[in-house]
Amino acid sequence: ETGVTQSPTHLIKTRGQQVTLRCSSQSGHNTVSWYQQALGQGPQFIFQYYREEENGRGNFPPRFSGLQFPNYSSELNVNALELDDSALYLCASSLIGSGKAYEQYFGPGTRLTVT
Amino acid sequence: AQSVTQLDSQVPVFEEAPVELRCNYSSSVSVYLFWYVQYPNQGLQLLLKYLSGSTLVKGINGFEAEFNKSQTSFHLRKPSVHISDTAEYFCAVSPPRGSASKIIFGSGTRLSIRP
Repeated sequence: ETGVTQSPTHLIKTRGQQVTLRCSSQSGHNTVSWYQQALGQGPQFIFQYYREEENGRGNFPPRFSGLQFPNYSSELNVNALELDDSALYLCASSLIGSGKAYEQYFGPGTRLTVT
Repeated sequence: AQSVTQLDSQVPVFEEAPVELRCNYSSSVSVYLFWYVQYPNQGLQLLLKYLSGSTLVKGINGFEAEFNKSQTSFHLRKPSVHISDTAEYFCAVSPPRGSASKIIFGSGTRLSIRP
């Protein structure tokens, strides 16, 4: 069973640029959720993708967008980067339809630094 | 809406001593409750969960937690800690129903073990 993987592990961008983060879900899972974890804080829900469509969104502006592909992998895109976007971005996969959609398996995260 | 409060941002304890990490939640509907652990530079790992039934739940690495509905608490305990338990611990909730399995996290408690 393959776990959740994320790439890249670290990234440095300049304010105003755009960034794409990638996530491969655990084998057999059909849902991907993205979280932002600022330094010293708990993860905050950004959005979830199921069947290639957004399936719930947290309190994040539209410049945070995502995609899910037919193989259930996912991308998180952030446009017009701001300094406050510096954080650890976590991806989690789960299986809607199993009765255990609450069981989310997290990847190691991508550390984004905006300068 | 749900929220989670972790009352202690840092908890220092000596090795082999008992520890309790406190968590209170607020919700107008029934919720599922979780404790996650995050080791340095890693993603989140599920320690244990409460869905229903027995209020005392046991997890991995010798941790257990007790759900108290009247006090809306879900405190995490371990009778004897080890150096390897040094990590950040997050209490979290999610509604039991709803296709978007949004997990709401507390701000975390840093557990530091002294030899």
